[in-house]
Amino acid sequence: EAGVAQSPRYKIIEKRQSVAFWCNPISGHATLYWYQQILGQGPKLLIQFQNNGVVDDSQLPKDRFSAERLKGVDSTLKIQPAKLEDSAVYLCASSLQPGNTIYFGEGSWLTVV
Amino acid sequence: QQQVKQSPQSLIVQKGGISIINCAYENTAFDYFPWYQQFPGKGPALLIAIRPDVSEKKEGRFTISFNKSAKQFSLHIMDSQPGDSATYFCAASTKGSARQLTFGSGTQLTVLP
Repeated sequence: EAGVAQSPRYKIIEKRQSVAFWCNPISGHATLYWYQQILGQGPKLLIQFQNNGVVDDSQLPKDRFSAERLKGVDSTLKIQPAKLEDSAVYLCASSLQPGNTIYFGEGSWLTVV
Repeated sequence: QQQVKQSPQSLIVQKGGISIINCAYENTAFDYFPWYQQFPGKGPALLIAIRPDVSEKKEGRFTISFNKSAKQFSLHIMDSQPGDSATYFCAASTKGSARQLTFGSGTQLTVLP
C-alpha cells in the first residue's frame, strides 16, 4: 500500500517569497492533516480536513498560510509571504477516519533565508 | 501552554540496555496515548499506543506504562539496539470528532554498539 506522498521534499526560498507544498494521502483516507515541525520540537497541527471540509484550522496563521483539499483527496499548503520563522518541516498525514491510526509522509523541508 | 511534557530531551544507552522515556500530561480529557518513532529525514511512524483503561501494554521489546492518577506515561525499550536510535515522541488525543494529536517535544535516543 502506498504511503502519504509529499512534494517537493526540499525547498529554499527568500523571505517574502511564496511556496506551495502538495500532499497525496493514502487511498481511501478521509482525514488529512498538515503539521509543522520546527527543528528540535514535536509536530504541531496546522489544519485538519475531513474529506474536503476543514475540521480545525485554529492554529493556522491565516494571514500567510492557506490550505485546500478541493476534491477531498490531495491537498496543497501555501505560504505567502514566507518569514524566517517558517523554516520547518511540513508534514502531511492521513487517517481512515478521525481516531484511526495517523500515517505521516516524509515531509517537505522548508528553509527561508 | 504545553499540554504534553516529555523527558529527557536526549538519552544515550548501551546496546542491550533499557531505554526509558517519560511523558506527563495536564488535560484529563486525553484518552489515547501513542508513541511515535522518527528516523532522520522520515516522518513519524506509530510505534505503540495505549488507552487509559489499562496500566501497561507490551509489544515485543516496547512497553508503555500508564499511571492515570499521576497523569504520566512512559515508554520502555528493552534490550535496546543501535537500530532503535531515533527520535521518540509521545502524544495524546481527546475523544470527539477531531481526535487531534498533541505531541511532546521529543527524545533523541542513541544506542551505542
